[in-house]
Amino acid sequence: AQSVSQHNHHVILSEAASLELGCNYSYGGTVNLFWYVQYPGQHLQLLLKYFSGDPLVKGIKGFEAEFIKSKFSFNLRKPSVQWSDTAEYFCAVNALESGAGSYQLTFGKGTKLSVIP
Amino acid sequence: KAGVTQTPRYLIKTRGQQVTLSCSPISGHRSVSWYQQTPGQGLQFLFEYFSETQRNKGNFPGRFSGRQFSNSRSEMNVSTLELGDSALYLCASRAFGNSPLHFGNGTRLTVT
Repeated sequence: AQSVSQHNHHVILSEAASLELGCNYSYGGTVNLFWYVQYPGQHLQLLLKYFSGDPLVKGIKGFEAEFIKSKFSFNLRKPSVQWSDTAEYFCAVNALESGAGSYQLTFGKGTKLSVIP
Repeated sequence: KAGVTQTPRYLIKTRGQQVTLSCSPISGHRSVSWYQQTPGQGLQFLFEYFSETQRNKGNFPGRFSGRQFSNSRSEMNVSTLELGDSALYLCASRAFGNSPLHFGNGTRLTVT
């Protein structure tokens, strides 16, 4: 079964600082990769996704992520964060569960981002 | 299109009781998944249903069960509630196997 590791539990940044959140996964086969964001009091929303092609993917609100296959990583980046980016960020891997014959989305434990004005 | 709808938003139950949570997926989505979200464990997969059949199941005890109806609506049941079952239960739907999940607002269950 696949697993997802997010390196940082809580990140605190000042506005305009650059952001990089780490995500590593363990799975030997083909994967689809996602970052979700959960703003305070809101539901989980899709930030960006990688299926194939260009390993650098751009999402909403200026976020981007780079898929590095050799490192099993899918790190999230933003050049300049804003106070409104304060939220919890989840990395997720979608892989085919051979036993079930269906795709299962596995999440990391999340990284809380606090942006100080 | 309406999003994923979960009811109720909040529930307070006592140990030993059972509870049923409801989820209506996005129109046209036939796959519904359930997750348990807690501060320490993040999101943990409970199960996935597609066309009324459970396709995948996470590592939860048999007290956690679910079902899906012909209109794709899904219910999740937890019997003999324990304090540790207190969590946010999230329902998500998707159009097909490897497409992104769309989440509801969740049901906050508190067990006292």
